[in-house]
Amino acid sequence: DAGVIQSPRHEVTEMGQEVTLRCKPISGHDYLFWYRQTMMRGLELLIYFNNNVPIDDSGMPEDRFSAKMPNASFSTLKIQPSEPRDSAVYFCASSFGTATEAFFGQGTRLTVV
Amino acid sequence: QKEVEQNSGPLSVPEGAIASLNCTYSDRGSQSFFWYRQYSGKSPELIMFIYSNGDKEDGRFTAQLNKASQYVSLLIRDSQPSDSATYLCAGKNTGFQKLVFGTGTRLLVSP
Repeated sequence: DAGVIQSPRHEVTEMGQEVTLRCKPISGHDYLFWYRQTMMRGLELLIYFNNNVPIDDSGMPEDRFSAKMPNASFSTLKIQPSEPRDSAVYFCASSFGTATEAFFGQGTRLTVV
Repeated sequence: QKEVEQNSGPLSVPEGAIASLNCTYSDRGSQSFFWYRQYSGKSPELIMFIYSNGDKEDGRFTAQLNKASQYVSLLIRDSQPSDSATYLCAGKNTGFQKLVFGTGTRLLVSP
């Protein structure tokens, strides 16, 4: 398996624009996580899904953020409108059942100018 | 206060020495703990996990858990320059898949 695949790897956008980050989890994994990493706050969980259903979105910072998982092999994280403080590395991770390890994608580095 | 606390470092050790990385947590419901390594510009990768009090060894790595003191540590023996990275501690409650991470400790191993 190719692992967790995220796209794009880098995104530069202007403030106010819509940004969509994409993630393909490892085939067969039933949990999918979206994390955001900054120097100040470290790695923060934004939302996670189990079998395509959102379980905990308490980490989503504002209504400007939304996430969907229309099927087992695809998820999106959307920011609309984007702001400079959204600049961070966004990671997607997936895991199987109660297995302990979450596998991370390579991340999307988002810069909002 | 963050649920999982780590000293940001950097922790500098010479090659061949033992590196000791520490983590404290505030949520007594946390039952499992994980150490991830993250190289600069890369994604986190799991090194070890531990859920029982005591020590767990895997090669050059030993994880230690003390639930009474709410303390987790990672020892790296015979440290190598390739171990230079940021080490992230994370905790998880039983029954939940939510991993809560500390901000990480940067380790520098000098040749």
